[in-house]
Amino acid sequence: AQSVTQPDIHITVSEGASLELRCNYSYGATPYLFWYVQSPGQGLQLLLKYFSGDTLVQGIKGFEAEFKRSQSSFNLRKPSVHWSDAAEYFCAAYFGNEKLTFGTGTRLTIIP
Amino acid sequence: EAGVAQSPRYKIIEKRQSVAFWCNPISGHATLYWYQQILGQGPKLLIQFQNNGVVDDSQLPKDRFSAERLKGVDSTLKIQPAKLEDSAVYLCASRLGDRLHGYTFGSGTRLTVV
Repeated sequence: AQSVTQPDIHITVSEGASLELRCNYSYGATPYLFWYVQSPGQGLQLLLKYFSGDTLVQGIKGFEAEFKRSQSSFNLRKPSVHWSDAAEYFCAAYFGNEKLTFGTGTRLTIIP
Repeated sequence: EAGVAQSPRYKIIEKRQSVAFWCNPISGHATLYWYQQILGQGPKLLIQFQNNGVVDDSQLPKDRFSAERLKGVDSTLKIQPAKLEDSAVYLCASRLGDRLHGYTFGSGTRLTVV
């Protein structure tokens, strides 16, 4: 079945440290992949997307993600997190249709 | 560019009551989605409109949920009667053009059924 998996429910990172959020997908081809961020009480904001080409994509707010076909992964990274990055992060994919399928999300906590 | 507008922001109702949510997408966005986000879970698609036609409502509980998008602009999602398990955030999103464009989400309506 087509699915998006985010293995980490909750991650805590010190401010200024690097961050990597994991995302894996299950699909027989390469899906269109997205990362969204959701701050408390807010809707989801698009951070970045991957369709094809360069496997390292840059997004807003200093985030980047790397697509690895061999691992069916699309991990989100940031070299140095800020307190304002505390939020819920969702990986999502189009699996050959018009519907975005979301992972269960990873909650990011930043400690001073 | 104005964002996706949703109202109300919060709603508390008793079970078996009815409730309606409203969404005004970004002007010119032909595709509109309603998602349900239960606490601790990712958003789940309820229904997708293309202009004023339904594209996908396979996960909409049609015995109690209904949605319409009159004139291909605003949309309303209704629940009647509500159950406790309907407590969730209801997100509306719209999209310009094809899948190469990401969705733009509204801030959502948080529904609590007591």
